[in-house]
Amino acid sequence: EAGVAQSPRYKIIEKRQSVAFWCNPISGHATLYWYQQILGQGPKLLIQFQNNGVVDDSQLPKDRFSAERLKGVDSTLKIQPAKLEDSAVYLCASSLGTGNNEKLFFGSGTQLSVL
Amino acid sequence: GENVEQHPSTLSVQEGDSAVIKCTYSDSASNYFPWYKQELGKRPQLIIDIRSNVGEKKDQRIAVTLNKTAKHFSLHITETQPEDSAVYFCAASMGGGSQGNLIFGKGTKLSVKP
Repeated sequence: EAGVAQSPRYKIIEKRQSVAFWCNPISGHATLYWYQQILGQGPKLLIQFQNNGVVDDSQLPKDRFSAERLKGVDSTLKIQPAKLEDSAVYLCASSLGTGNNEKLFFGSGTQLSVL
Repeated sequence: GENVEQHPSTLSVQEGDSAVIKCTYSDSASNYFPWYKQELGKRPQLIIDIRSNVGEKKDQRIAVTLNKTAKHFSLHITETQPEDSAVYFCAASMGGGSQGNLIFGKGTKLSVKP
């Protein structure tokens, strides 16, 4: 079974620039998550999609972060403009259904460095 | 909101010894508690999980216990091996309408010395 695919693997940008990350979840998984993992900390949820609708984006800094999952499969996460504190690993995860207690499968992440 | 505390932040054991990592959570509506292992530069991988209707679950050398009254759960690794060295994260599901959302602890870096 193919896992969650993410690209790029690494990205280095200067502050105030824009950046976008891409995620392809496991085939058939209805729910997709974007997590931010700052060095030395646990992942923090940014946004959760169920099919192509947003379930929870309460912790997404909407002044600079945006995400979409237009066809209910792939998703993109964008930061515009980036700040130094956005340096982190951005993890995409997916789960099969929409109910509680679903197992999450993570991608390898995109490591973002903002200089 | 939900808060998950994890201890210790670092743990060093000799090969063959046991390792125990403990977590507490604040939301009494949480009912799903997974544990993830993350090796350096790699994705978090689910190693074991427990649901609120169960007090203990075991899978070979790994076990998890849950005390809902006290709102804490623990990961137990027996007969540790060098390949168990990694960062381990506990997580708890958010209650209410945020289906499937997990709140993670800050992680425990486990080092198993040969």
